[in-house]
Amino acid sequence: DIQMTQSPSSLPASVGDSVTITCRTSQSISNYLNWYQQKPGKAPKLLIYGASSLQSGVPSRFSGSGSGTDFTLTISSLHPEDFAVYYCQQTYSGPAFGGGTKVEIK
Amino acid sequence: EEQLVESGGGLIQPGESLRLACAVTGFSVNSFYLSWVRQASGKGLEWVSVIYSGVRTSYADSVKGRFTISRDTSKNILFLQMNSLRVEDTAIYYCARVLDSFYHMDVWGKGTTVIVSS
Repeated sequence: DIQMTQSPSSLPASVGDSVTITCRTSQSISNYLNWYQQKPGKAPKLLIYGASSLQSGVPSRFSGSGSGTDFTLTISSLHPEDFAVYYCQQTYSGPAFGGGTKVEIK
Repeated sequence: EEQLVESGGGLIQPGESLRLACAVTGFSVNSFYLSWVRQASGKGLEWVSVIYSGVRTSYADSVKGRFTISRDTSKNILFLQMNSLRVEDTAIYYCARVLDSFYHMDVWGKGTTVIVSS
């Protein structure tokens, strides 16, 4: 099984900050890495697929990068509605989600 | 508009069975891969199962042999038959559409809650 390590688990930040979340896999997954946002009481929402492709309708302040085993999600300037939990997901082998990163108000 | 609506959740005793349904509108269940994902209270997301084209399916190790994913193309509904339920199966269950380029889930339902407790 491919192990996933998402960090940090908690990320205190302020509106306007640039934040970066990291997802690392135990073996190469090429670019089969997706990112989701989840707000309390809501279903997850797709942000980024294929490591760096922005899902339609998602603001351009969200970006993804990486390939192989190391990936990042960057929010260039936090808006109030961006405080949420973010999950990475590898779909190279037996889909699996990372443990999540809670972006919270500092 | 593409929409997924789950139903069938509830309170059930360990060892019993439950069938979840996911009613699909706006696209055909026959034209896309479809998946179930669950989330225990306060925990992260856990992939459960996927149905590909035809009858090919895949399951997480934690549910293999107990859960069965299927679809009714005439009613445009996705199902998850859950047998031999355990306390640790307690979660919100989401259905989601899966796109076959990077197997990313682009449309999600709101979820249905399953509580397994004696």
